Amino acid sequence: IAGITQAPTSQILAAGRRMTLRCTQDMRHNAMYWYRQDLGLGLRLIHYSNTAGTTGKGEVPDGYSVSRANTDDFPLTLASAVPSQTSVYFCASSDRGVPGELFFGEGSRLTVL
Amino acid sequence: GQNIDQPTEMTATEGAIVQINCTYQTSGFNGLFWYQQHAGEAPTFLSYNVLDGLEEKGRFSSFLSRSKGYSYLLLKELQMKDSASYLCAVPDSNYQLIWGAGTKLIIKP
Repeated sequence: IAGITQAPTSQILAAGRRMTLRCTQDMRHNAMYWYRQDLGLGLRLIHYSNTAGTTGKGEVPDGYSVSRANTDDFPLTLASAVPSQTSVYFCASSDRGVPGELFFGEGSRLTVL
Repeated sequence: GQNIDQPTEMTATEGAIVQINCTYQTSGFNGLFWYQQHAGEAPTFLSYNVLDGLEEKGRFSSFLSRSKGYSYLLLKELQMKDSASYLCAVPDSNYQLIWGAGTKLIIKP
C-alpha cells in the first residue's frame, strides 16, 4: 500500500540520548515535512525539504536535524533529547509543496524522561 | 504575524448539522485547508479553499470569506464516525502551513 511509513511507532528515551525517527514514502513526492503535535497546540513545523538534497528550518527547529539524501527518506534526529521534546511527531509529504494536499504518516510518539 | 483561531471543542447530535469556524490573520493569502484527525491517528485532507464562497463535497462543505479572514466547515447528517478533531491551516509567506490548535467535535447519539 502506497504511503508514508514512520518508525518507531512509540519510544521512551532517556534525556541526553540520541534518537532518529525514520520516515519513508513511496509516492515519489518532492516535498517532505516533520511536524510535532502537542496537546492544545496546533501542528508545528520542525523542518522541511522541498526536494532531495535541500532542507529548511520550520517554526521549531532547535534541537532537531534532518537530511534528505534521496526522494524517499527524510529522517529526523534529536542529537541530545530533552523532556520538552516529548511529543507526537508526524512526517508528511506533498507532490508539489504548499498549497497542496499533505499526506501524513501514522506518527511516532516519543517520551523523553 | 500569522494567527489562527478555532473553538477548542464542540458537541453535536447524530443526524444534525454542525458548523466549525476558523478565523485567520495572514500577511498574504494562499488558500485555507481543513483536515480531519481522529484520536490517535494522522490528519487527513478534507478541503482547500482559495476563492470566496462555499465548496460542497458530499456531507462536508467549506466556506471562505477572504475579506473577513473567516472560514467554516459545515458537516451535515452527522454520523458517530465524524467524532474527530478538525484542523484549519493556512500557508505562511514561505508557503509552509500554519495550523490552528484544532476543534474537537463530539457527536452524541
